[in-house]
Amino acid sequence: GESVGLHLPTLSVQEGDNSIINCAYSNSASDYFIWYKQESGKGPQFIIDIRSNMDKRQGQRVTVLLNKTVKHLSLQIAATQPGDSAVYFCAEISTPTNTDKLIFGTGTRLQVFP
Amino acid sequence: DAGVTQSPTHLIKTRGQQVTLRCSPISGHKSVSWYQQVLGQGPQFIFQYYEKEERGRGNFPDRFSARQFPNYSSELNVNALLLGDSALYLCASSLEWGGAEAFFGQGTRLTVV
Repeated sequence: GESVGLHLPTLSVQEGDNSIINCAYSNSASDYFIWYKQESGKGPQFIIDIRSNMDKRQGQRVTVLLNKTVKHLSLQIAATQPGDSAVYFCAEISTPTNTDKLIFGTGTRLQVFP
Repeated sequence: DAGVTQSPTHLIKTRGQQVTLRCSPISGHKSVSWYQQVLGQGPQFIFQYYEKEERGRGNFPDRFSARQFPNYSSELNVNALLLGDSALYLCASSLEWGGAEAFFGQGTRLTVV
């Protein structure tokens, strides 16, 4: 398969450990945030989202934290598995601007080793 | 249920040529968006269509155009191809317009030589 990102920041974790991927977003008017996972040769896959009126949201093995004060978003993956290896992108939408345009961050490559 | 399907999956074109990429959204989804993903970067928004009308346009030259058909499928056209147009072109569909969850296809890898 093709490589999605050759020069992305990389996070290497051992299988079973927790992973934390960070993202700084750009627009203080953004009110909807999404984390996507992109495996080699595939399109981005929705993981979890959060609205700006929340500061934490939990899914299955994943938690997203939002700090609007410093415009920071994080994705926590519990008990990381080899299948979690991928590139992770945060994306923001500013719904007051009347568009569904997703603005993606630069991405982080997560590598899980045994 | 079929997800978002894009065709072709890979394409090689020569500089100056024109290309048409196709996208079929998830059944029942009315919104289609196009993104360009250059290697090593996040996807960049090109267009969004909802109910056959353009609802958003990114910072791309007029060589890029798109349309949505009555069945909600969409085409992205790029004229006068440049080497820098080489990228993965992603299509995303949403049920409605307005912050709805977007589902991405596998993309079309365009290589311009």
